[in-house]
Amino acid sequence: QSALTQPPSASGSPGQSVTISCTGTSSDVGGYNYVSWYQHHPGKAPKLMIYEVNKRPSGVPDRFSGSKSGNTASLTVSGLQAEDEADYYCCSYAGDKGLFGGGTKLTVL
Amino acid sequence: QVQLQESGPGLVKPSETLSLTCTVSGYSISSGYYWGWIRQPPGKELEWIGSMYHSGTTYYNPSLKSRVTISVDTSKNQFSLKLNSVTATDTAVYFCTGDRAYATIDYWGRGTLVTVSS
Repeated sequence: QSALTQPPSASGSPGQSVTISCTGTSSDVGGYNYVSWYQHHPGKAPKLMIYEVNKRPSGVPDRFSGSKSGNTASLTVSGLQAEDEADYYCCSYAGDKGLFGGGTKLTVL
Repeated sequence: QVQLQESGPGLVKPSETLSLTCTVSGYSISSGYYWGWIRQPPGKELEWIGSMYHSGTTYYNPSLKSRVTISVDTSKNQFSLKLNSVTATDTAVYFCTGDRAYATIDYWGRGTLVTVSS
């Protein structure tokens, strides 16, 4: 089973919004409302930013939001800040395991 | 604050067993969550290896199931990964994780690089 598809890179200026997509199939993203997103600054532990498609854990700014349409999930970061520059990974439950995207490097210009 | 820290050899010979331990601080692993492992080979995507509830229920990636064992030691607040018969394709950064099931990972370690080479 292939990984979920994410764009390798995304960018935006401070204050702008950027959306990162995550495309799977009806066997994973489209079949379950268990899509999560992780922020990873290299060398640090990844951090859960969104779970169950659009829920934010305590402490995650409301600038981060998630959504899903069909087999594609999306992460939107509004009001970009310098500290948002990181790698972002999506993950979907796929029945018998978790399935990850290849990651998107978000650059704040 | 929950923290996870991986430990173990950074170099393993082909055909041998890769063994890693994750020490959890700030939370008792017998209180809940599934404790498991995820890896990322160089230049590739993250791959879910498997996870185990403290009661013993385990879930393994079908592609690795025949070679993987995850175990939990509640007395030490640790859990472990054993991957048998490794090859160069098992070279990866290995992350220990705590998840709430359905592939939602609340806690991650920083990861440790394991290289398979003679």
